[in-house]
Amino acid sequence: ILNVEQSPQSLHVQEGDSTNFTCSFPSSNFYALHWYRWETAKSPEALFVMTLNGDEKKKGRISATLNTKEGYSYLYIKGSQPEDSATYLCAFANAGGTSYGKLTFGQGTILTVHP
Amino acid sequence: EAQVTQNPRYLITVTGKKLTVTCSQNMNHEYMSWYRQDPGLGLRQIYYSMNVEVTDKGDVPEGYKVSRKEKRNFPLILESPSPNQTSLYFCASSFFHLSEKGDEQYFGPGTRLTVT
Repeated sequence: ILNVEQSPQSLHVQEGDSTNFTCSFPSSNFYALHWYRWETAKSPEALFVMTLNGDEKKKGRISATLNTKEGYSYLYIKGSQPEDSATYLCAFANAGGTSYGKLTFGQGTILTVHP
Repeated sequence: EAQVTQNPRYLITVTGKKLTVTCSQNMNHEYMSWYRQDPGLGLRQIYYSMNVEVTDKGDVPEGYKVSRKEKRNFPLILESPSPNQTSLYFCASSFFHLSEKGDEQYFGPGTRLTVT
């Protein structure tokens, strides 16, 4: 089973703070890196799908960067709001042989934004 | 409305009694997948399918079966459920190539299964 690690496991910030967290993944057989946002009692929702080394994507106050050579991606939230409280998941999409198409998720970073 | 549906949403059953959780999507997606979510373990892929009649094992396939006879449906079958299969299950779908923005996965609402 591939190792996809997210850090930190949990994070508490104050409203208005900017924050970031990390997803580490294998640097071989890379196909894509997904980020999802998962609110309690709901289903995960896609934020970004990233494929190119050096790619940077943005959606409102949330942005992400990708380094496929060293195997990491950062997710940034600028000016956190209480509604940003959720678990943020990354997933590594595998390009390798019989594992082509397999998605391996990290354990997630639980973000709590305090008013 | 574009969606992934799962049924049932909640199920309590006993060890050994075969069950099927259905999953259906109306977005003409080629790729479909099943995940289980357990505390502290995140989402783990059980099986996935890249198209009709094509299925592949994820990281935790033991004790599960799937089939993909039609593009829209991807049922998860537990032939002989055991208590360690008590979990929250999600079905998801996307277009085939997982490398484009449009290929993010859409998740169903989840099925909470308890096996006693």
